[in-house]
Amino acid sequence: DAKTTQPTSMDCAEGRAANLPCNHSTISGNEYVYWYRQIHSQGPQYIIHGLKNNETNEMASLIITEDRKSSTLILPHATLRDTAVYYCIVYIQGAQKLVFGQGTRLTINP
Amino acid sequence: NAGVMQNPRHLVRRRGQEARLRCSPMKGHSHVYWYRQLPEEGLKFMVYLQKENIIDESGMPKERFSAEFPKEGPSILRIQQVVRGDSAAYFCASSPSREYEQYFGPGTRLTVT
Repeated sequence: DAKTTQPTSMDCAEGRAANLPCNHSTISGNEYVYWYRQIHSQGPQYIIHGLKNNETNEMASLIITEDRKSSTLILPHATLRDTAVYYCIVYIQGAQKLVFGQGTRLTINP
Repeated sequence: NAGVMQNPRHLVRRRGQEARLRCSPMKGHSHVYWYRQLPEEGLKFMVYLQKENIIDESGMPKERFSAEFPKEGPSILRIQQVVRGDSAAYFCASSPSREYEQYFGPGTRLTVT
């Protein structure tokens, strides 16, 4: 079973920052926070991951709270192509399987 | 560098037939994972393989399903005697090692009529 809680759906205006929250209050010290997204019915796309520190790449930023019980994925300038289901996953590296929850359905509106 | 390739992209089988789904991992990736996504549901892990070895098949149905990843060639997910409940999208992912993120292919959509 997924160890994360995410809102079922969110809306964001095109060009604005999309902030997707995730609660993972039972996360262990050696578990990472991973984010994937699935656009329409395509294969999931890796976005970013982190352990304790905030992370940034060309796609997004990941902010992890100091107690690691929650995190936020930030898409800085959302476009219509960012409309997708976003999955927050806690994962021990080397654990072999990703456990997907229901995710957040993000809709970017023009 | 080509991504994970899956074929066929769409597969239609009648009940009782066999379905063979193929996955070619990214270049340099020797770890392959199969996931299944039933309609309107999330992805569920099925099996994890390295070259010639099944490492974890805890998500595989006990009967009719098998997977292999031979020394040469793609990984194969085989479903014997398909039933309507097998209709789903089957995704393959690969990684260079267990510690790296998994990269997914476009999926094979199986429809059982």
